[in-house]
Amino acid sequence: IAGITQAPTSQILAAGRRMTLRCTQDMRHNAMYWYRQDLGLGLRLIHYSNTAGTTGKGEVPDGYSVSRANTDDFPLTLASAVPSQTSVYFCASSDLTGGNNEQFFGPGTRLTVL
Amino acid sequence: RKEVEQDPGPFNVPEGATVAFNCTYSNSASQSFFWYRQDCRKEPKLLMSVYSSGNEDGRFTAQLNRASQYISLLIRDSKLSDSATYLCVVLRGSARQLTFGSGTQLTVLP
Repeated sequence: IAGITQAPTSQILAAGRRMTLRCTQDMRHNAMYWYRQDLGLGLRLIHYSNTAGTTGKGEVPDGYSVSRANTDDFPLTLASAVPSQTSVYFCASSDLTGGNNEQFFGPGTRLTVL
Repeated sequence: RKEVEQDPGPFNVPEGATVAFNCTYSNSASQSFFWYRQDCRKEPKLLMSVYSSGNEDGRFTAQLNRASQYISLLIRDSKLSDSATYLCVVLRGSARQLTFGSGTQLTVLP
């Protein structure tokens, strides 16, 4: 693994189904993030985690949950998917211990909820 | 009002042209500023940070005006490979979260 990986690459999901998007990083970054990107709205933060064991809500957290059991993994779960959750989902990580605030992004997951 | 606003474009320019993108932010407590680049159907990647004194990286120049809450990106001698969406990004808060503009689309034409 180099950088951040996300799975699946794309998914079509029936409304009401549960879905977990996976994100793994091998850079030992302490902070991880989930964004969704919709046309005309840019990237919006869903949830974040500044360190393993802690999580926080972003701008659009409703309908989503996350966990951070270890440094490397940050799964995003949709408990009961709805069509408005159709979007491209990006996971990102950064090293908050240094002064550089650069976030590194995974390749994204394209989710369609029907 | 969006926290970070950009002209969505699209900007269509010929190779070799100079093009400028502007961005405004609403939160005066914003601490750091960046330009990210996003290619079609790809993830965003950091292009450059924006410093108060202005900074340059090759053909790219970024400027910040804190009084006007305004950020700019200038691209000189445009290349076909510069075609992408450019995202204006600000950092604020103790959680060090990034807020993204919706992006400005650039197409450099041969």
